[in-house]
Amino acid sequence: EVQLVESGGGLVQPGGSLRLSCAASTFSFSSFWMSWVRQAPGKGLEWVANINHDGSERYYVDSVKGRFTISRDNAKSSLYLQMNSLRAEDTAVYYCATYSTISRSGYFDCWGQGTLVTVSS
Amino acid sequence: DIQMTQSPSSLSASVGDRVTITCRASQSINSYLNWYQKKPGKAPKVLIYAASSLRSGVPSRFSGSGSGTDFTLTISSLQPEDFATYYCQQSDSTPWTFGQGTKVEIK
Repeated sequence: EVQLVESGGGLVQPGGSLRLSCAASTFSFSSFWMSWVRQAPGKGLEWVANINHDGSERYYVDSVKGRFTISRDNAKSSLYLQMNSLRAEDTAVYYCATYSTISRSGYFDCWGQGTLVTVSS
Repeated sequence: DIQMTQSPSSLSASVGDRVTITCRASQSINSYLNWYQKKPGKAPKVLIYAASSLRSGVPSRFSGSGSGTDFTLTISSLQPEDFATYYCQQSDSTPWTFGQGTKVEIK
């Protein structure tokens, strides 16, 4: 069974930085695309970023481009999200998820329990 | 960006009811449409991928249909554990986008 455990969330001031981690276990981590998806309080789901198997391809939603960086360490079976220049609107629960690919498409398959990021002064 | 619009935004239904949720894309997304279930405090769970493929382990009362711009999620006989919010999501092109959600409540 796939297990994903996020960590690193917390309270940060506007303009600050935070690094989220996602530890994967019991599956072949390096075989999967990985994703970050967030949910702001009382709002819907929003895809944030994706990374391919070896980290050579990365995609971001426009609202985080230039501020967030997704990365991975396959040797440690870990996914990361470096978040800089944080804004109040980045406040959300952040989920890591596997992205299962089918042909040229895919879906968010297995999810972690989420970690809360609060951006406030 | 591709906009995803779900209807209704919320609905009230009873156990045993047949429930239908629709999702419309702002442009054709072929069959690159997924459905998720979200309960408060829990991680989302994929139900249907590629418009009509049932994810392993998901009860067969869930089904999906559609292609192009119009899609449907159907729950054939609503069970107590199905009260949740449901989201569609397109995976045709980045940025991958979700619908605003449909909250299914107990009547």
